[in-house]
Amino acid sequence: DGGITQSPKYLFRKEGQNVTLSCEQNLNHDAMYWYRQDPGQGLRLIYYSQIVNDFQKGDIAEGYSVSREKKESFPLTVTSAQKNPTAFYLCASSDRAGAEAFFGQGTRLTVV
Amino acid sequence: RKEVEQDPGPFNVPEGATVAFNCTYSNSASQSFFWYRQDCRKEPKLLMSVYSSGNEDGRFTAQLNRASQYISLLIRDSKLSDSATYLCVVTDTGTASKLTFGTGTRLQVTL
Repeated sequence: DGGITQSPKYLFRKEGQNVTLSCEQNLNHDAMYWYRQDPGQGLRLIYYSQIVNDFQKGDIAEGYSVSREKKESFPLTVTSAQKNPTAFYLCASSDRAGAEAFFGQGTRLTVV
Repeated sequence: RKEVEQDPGPFNVPEGATVAFNCTYSNSASQSFFWYRQDCRKEPKLLMSVYSSGNEDGRFTAQLNRASQYISLLIRDSKLSDSATYLCVVTDTGTASKLTFGTGTRLQVTL
């Protein structure tokens, strides 16, 4: 089945630790995105990538980092510099920049 | 001004009612427009794209008004299963195209 896989679904970390969220897609899509959603809020763009080995900051990139070494993978690292990391993180992909995007099931990160 | 604005609702409507949502966007050069649906604690799912000529998919109709910079979603004959948050999405133009989401409008359909 084609789709986007995020893992893990739930993640707990201690404050001050870096954590990496996985996002893999087998849709052969060029563009990939990371969004953050807080309770009762909309989606805010963290980083996006239109092609392998290239990515751009979104609206709330501070405290996050990404890599795009392979077309199918776009991992997100939440660093200790991110002041409020507890949130629902959503990864998406589209076959080209600006086209409709398809989402993974998300990762709920809780930092204690 | 936010790039994409929606009335957060909630819209509480009885089953069978017709309900309409509007969404305004600030960038007049925006090119692509979508409506997504998000159920509680789930990922957003594409509901429909919005074309300049308007488009319909069953009970759902989407319209685009470029002059006034808004898009709309009309749901006819509401079902209980339509209860969700509806997200308006707009894309930029150019080589750095990205999807910008509105904060969503919550719909609750009741018996």
